[in-house]
Amino acid sequence: GQNIDQPTEMTATEGAIVQINCTYQTSGFNGLFWYQQHAGEAPTFLSYNVLDGLEEKGRFSSFLSRSKGYSYLLLKELQMKDSASYLCAVRLRPGANNLFFGTGTRLTVIP
Amino acid sequence: GAGVSQSPSNKVTEKGKDVELRCDPISGHTALYWYRQSLGQGLEFLIYFQGNSAPDKSGLPSDRFSAERTGGSVSTLTIQRTQQEDSAVYLCASSFNPPGLAVMPYEQYFGPGTRLTVT
Repeated sequence: GQNIDQPTEMTATEGAIVQINCTYQTSGFNGLFWYQQHAGEAPTFLSYNVLDGLEEKGRFSSFLSRSKGYSYLLLKELQMKDSASYLCAVRLRPGANNLFFGTGTRLTVIP
Repeated sequence: GAGVSQSPSNKVTEKGKDVELRCDPISGHTALYWYRQSLGQGLEFLIYFQGNSAPDKSGLPSDRFSAERTGGSVSTLTIQRTQQEDSAVYLCASSFNPPGLAVMPYEQYFGPGTRLTVT
């Protein structure tokens, strides 16, 4: 079976840096995605890693280690609007674009 | 339209009744996906349409669930004889997947979802 683990909840302070970890054990791997989902809204795409290393996009960065089955999402200069759930998802094989999602990490940013 | 739209936004139905959920993907997107999100659970893949290929139905939880995509655009997810465990938010997503570039992200754009409550 497929398994993706993320912390259920995290709290961080406005202006700080937070790292959300994701570990996966899946039957295949063709890319890892991070999505942001505000309460009651649709998930929105944040980042994609298919090769090892760090991908930086503004305040958000995502890291992947395929050998360790590990990724993290790094959020810098936290803002109150970053309070949301962050979903880690794996694409299992090329040409099969359905994603296997973790349960998500609910991040609360406090003043 | 500018994004993926779904209707209805909320649906309350009695156990045993059939329901139809509709998804209008982004114009020009070749792929369409249905997921469901139960309380406290991750998004669960249900079914995937890509162009004119046969759909990937591997995520459908039972034969009470079916989906169609007419004319390569609008899709309808049908749940027959609904059960209380079917209560969830049903999310549709679409993406543009040109052939031959399997390592690209093919970002999925999600609709706002339909919240289904079976009483």
